Amino acid sequence: GEDVEQSLFLSVREGDSSVINCTYTDSSSTYLYWYKQEPGAGLQLLTYIFSNMDMKQDQRLTVLLNKKDKHLSLRIADTQTGDSAIYFCAESIGNTGKLIFGQGTTLQVKP
Amino acid sequence: DSGVTQTPKHLITATGQRVTLRCSPRSGDLSVYWYQQSLDQGLQFLIQYYNGEERAKGNILERFSAQQFPDLHSELNLSSLELGDSALYFCASSVGVSGSSYEQYFGPGTRLTVT
Repeated sequence: GEDVEQSLFLSVREGDSSVINCTYTDSSSTYLYWYKQEPGAGLQLLTYIFSNMDMKQDQRLTVLLNKKDKHLSLRIADTQTGDSAIYFCAESIGNTGKLIFGQGTTLQVKP
Repeated sequence: DSGVTQTPKHLITATGQRVTLRCSPRSGDLSVYWYQQSLDQGLQFLIQYYNGEERAKGNILERFSAQQFPDLHSELNLSSLELGDSALYFCASSVGVSGSSYEQYFGPGTRLTVT
């Protein structure tokens, strides 16, 4: 089946690292994505990882993929108040590219 | 700014009515996707078009339809509207449908309120 699960809320202090976790069920997923949504705004593509990779680093963002456990994580280093938003994990299905999204994790960054 | 535009930004209408949401993809993108975001259902894939042809269908109601025109813009038509159709409707676009051309860029969304 197609299902993506995320924890709903994470609170961190400014300057700390944030780790947002996600699990997915479809083993045929080719790409896995992280999107950020700020209040009243659309979804901003942060990063993505191909399913045959274990890790991808992009400036303050690190994506880890454990394909065996179908577990994806996003680590944000040196978290800033501007990182406060909802973060969505998504998997692409089949050869269409349609995305299945998790429920979103609200990241609260306290000064 | 993702380069994907959507109009209108807000739409308020009554039950039973019909509305059309419009999307212009990023320059060069051939694929357009429509998603619905609501509090109870989250973000749900509705339908995808690639270069004018329907490519994939998700949880799209029969009252909803879409098309992609030769200039690649897309329209989502919602008819016989119900209160439960109130949601944020997003359009996304990507270059193609395989490999890294899967990167989907989202528009700002159209907020539909059905009263």
